[in-house]
Formats: sequence, structure tokens, C-alpha cells
Amino acid sequence: ILNVEQSPQSLHVQEGDSTNFTCSFPSSNFYALHWYRWETAKSPEALFVMTLNGDEKKKGRISATLNTKEGYSYLYIKGSQPEDSATYLCAFIGSSNTGKLIFGQGTTLQVKP
Amino acid sequence: KAGVTQTPRYLIKTRGQQVTLSCSPISGHRSVSWYQQTPGQGLQFLFEYFSETQRNKGNFPGRFSGRQFSNSRSEMNVSTLELGDSALYLCASSFRPDPRWTDTQYFGPGTRLTVL
Repeated sequence: ILNVEQSPQSLHVQEGDSTNFTCSFPSSNFYALHWYRWETAKSPEALFVMTLNGDEKKKGRISATLNTKEGYSYLYIKGSQPEDSATYLCAFIGSSNTGKLIFGQGTTLQVKP
Repeated sequence: KAGVTQTPRYLIKTRGQQVTLSCSPISGHRSVSWYQQTPGQGLQFLFEYFSETQRNKGNFPGRFSGRQFSNSRSEMNVSTLELGDSALYLCASSFRPDPRWTDTQYFGPGTRLTVL
């Protein structure tokens, strides 16, 4: 059974704080990793699709890095805003079954004004 | 471009019944995937259809099935409903001619199914 772990489970920060969270996955079996943002009462929104070790992607104040050798990806939010409040999910795709996504449990971020 | 639409948005059924959910993808997208979201299990991949064929499948029992039509619209069916099937069911579409998950997918608003 493949485990995809996200930490922390939840996070409360003040507006303007920068924050980061982690997605851990099996390092020996990597094919791709997706990051999604899921705001309450909305649909999940794709943030990044990452495929190469050392990948670094950026979308506004949000960026992500990927380390496939050690099996983790970091998501960073610079200068958090209340509208960043959401659950952030990663989804792992292993090379042994590239057709299937395995989601982590998510990190729920609450940004206080 | 219109987004992914799902109908119905809410549904209440009783144990033993069956249910069909519908998903209309973004125009031009041929891949439609289905997911189940429960508080205990998180978001789980059910299956993916591409050009009317099931291309990928998650670990769900045979009570969960789907199909895709020539216009790429997809339906998901759950037979003999159980209490544990109560969940938010999401579909997502992508262009994704390659079966490997390297393309962005776009999610619909979901169908909230309650089984009593």
C-alpha cells in the first residue's frame, strides 16, 4: 500500500506570514505529483503538476519544490492572505501504476486577518 | 469556456437503492475522472474514462461503475447503496491524450450523496 503523507494536518497563521507544508511519498516509485487547492464550497483547483526531480514551480505567491530522491515536495505560500485559506492536497502518481492518483489527507490552512 | 458541470448537486437515497450521477466535461476534454471524498478516507480516485473506454481504475468494489458517451459526458453508477457510500462525488476533466497523469485536470462542483 502506497502512503502519501501531508504535514501538518492543519495550520493557523496571521495575514502576511509565510508558510510551508510538506507532501511525502515513496521515493523509489515516483512518476508525477499534483498539488491542488480546495476552498470550502468550491471545486478543487489544480496548482501544479510536477514531474522532474528539482522542479520548482511558481504561481503568484505560491511555489512548490520537488525532491524525488528523498520523496517529498514542499508547498510555500509567501505573505499569506485570508483568501489563501483552503485545504491543500497533493496527489502522487507512481511509476508502477501511472494511471492512478493517490491523494494525501491534505493540509488545511487558515489565515487570520 | 464553461467549466465542468455535475448533476444533481445533492441526492438522498436509501440503502439498497442505486444511483446515477452525471458529469459534463469542459468542451474538448476527452478524459473524465471520478473521485469520492469522505471525511475518513479523504479524496480517493474511482476511475477514469477516455474516449468512451475505462482507462484507469482505483480500488473500489464492482458496485461502482461508470461509462462515457461519444460527447465525452460521463455517468457514474453505484448499485446496492450502503451507508458508507455517503460522500461527495467529484468528477474532473482534462485533455490528456496520454494516460499518464501529467496534465492539469479541472474539477466540477461535486454531487453530495447521502444514503439513509
